[in-house]
Amino acid sequence: NAGVTQTPKFRVLKTGQSMTLLCAQDMNHEYMYWYRQDPGMGLRLIHYSVGEGTTAKGEVPDGYNVSRLKKQNFLLGLESAAPSQTSVYFCASTRAGDSGELFFGEGSRLTVL
Amino acid sequence: AQSVTQLGSHVSVSEGALVLLRCNYSSSVPPYLFWYVQYPNQGLQLLLKYTSAATLVKGINGFEAEFKKSETSFHLTKPSAHMSDAAEYFCAVNLGGTGGFKTIFGAGTRLFVKA
Repeated sequence: NAGVTQTPKFRVLKTGQSMTLLCAQDMNHEYMYWYRQDPGMGLRLIHYSVGEGTTAKGEVPDGYNVSRLKKQNFLLGLESAAPSQTSVYFCASTRAGDSGELFFGEGSRLTVL
Repeated sequence: AQSVTQLGSHVSVSEGALVLLRCNYSSSVPPYLFWYVQYPNQGLQLLLKYTSAATLVKGINGFEAEFKKSETSFHLTKPSAHMSDAAEYFCAVNLGGTGGFKTIFGAGTRLFVKA
């Protein structure tokens, strides 16, 4: 009964390096999301997807790219990491036609030096 | 702009005391409203939600919240705090109907419970 799983859970990068965060859900949810959490700012939506092969920008998309090649997976990429991208990243999913209740992963803590 | 305001970034109560966490939202359409809880080093999990049924919503762990349209509020309460309630609480509003891509989160309120 995994729910939403994120990998890796921790990562340290140097400025300019690239990396990909993987999110996998086993609930057959149509919608998936990537958020970042920063102190005092709540959660802010980076990108989201309403189905396989489709993605859209959220509130803070700059510096990030995403892909959803399979319904159960949603990847978040940083092509050239910057210190401002130091944050905790959360993946979430929800069913289409629902109230929007979000199911979250445990988070990925990224530090960019 | 639509927004969610949580009054107080930190709230401290004694064990056994009333917990009251405040949330106000601005929305021109009837929203779906949520409270999520985040324990240290974990993701957010749903505490309770309002979806236009009863205005008083009961959630897990003895928490409840009341939707007051006239006040655009959705405050979270618990009659008697327990040490295990120490966590960060987020109020969220879904403005977009089905799906969650129009969900706005408040900045969060960290609850401390003193023995």
